Amino acid sequence: DVQVVESGGGLVQPGGSLRLSCVASGFMYSTHWMTWVRQAPGKGLEWVARIKHDGSEKYYVDSVKGRFIISRDNAKNSLYLQMNSLRAEDTGIYYCARVITMIGICSWLDPWGQGTLVTVSS
Amino acid sequence: DIQMTQSPSSLSASVGDRVTITCRASQSISGYLNWYQQKPGKAPKLLIYAASSLQTGVPSRFSGSGSGTDFTFTISSLKPEDFATYYCQHSYTTPTWTFGQGTKVEIK
Repeated sequence: DVQVVESGGGLVQPGGSLRLSCVASGFMYSTHWMTWVRQAPGKGLEWVARIKHDGSEKYYVDSVKGRFIISRDNAKNSLYLQMNSLRAEDTGIYYCARVITMIGICSWLDPWGQGTLVTVSS
Repeated sequence: DIQMTQSPSSLSASVGDRVTITCRASQSISGYLNWYQQKPGKAPKLLIYAASSLQTGVPSRFSGSGSGTDFTFTISSLKPEDFATYYCQHSYTTPTWTFGQGTKVEIK
């Protein structure tokens, strides 16, 4: 089965750090862009970051630039999100997803993991 | 950044109804538009990619259309399991991607 599984969420104080992980299986991980999407409690989906298959390109939503770092280890089929200087507004469920790209046509997210909850609170 | 405006934010419908949701991009995104379904407590699920292509295994009552800035998502005949929140998302060739605000489909 093609799947991605997140871990690493938890309770952290404002200003603190947390590292999320996502392990992929069932597909050729090293050939796909990967992405993180988050969802604040009771709110909609927010795209957070994405990384090219070889790690050479990374893009972030403005609200996390300079605080979050997306990375990957293709030898371990793993994706990471290092979150620093965390704020209360970073609270939410963080989803990892595979990006499927049809060049010149579109890119889409499938599958998604079950998510990992990050709570930033004192 | 490209903004995605989805409407309505919520709607009430009955089983068997035809449901239509629209998504408008702040600039042309060609066909770089996807639709996802999310049920409470669950991860989002891909339904439609590239504006009108049905994901494998997704029932044919779901469909999408549009290009450029205006897109439409339709459920031809609503079933009980379709009550959920639906999101559009652009993946245009810009660094950042965005989702629409979501449309919650509720039971009338």
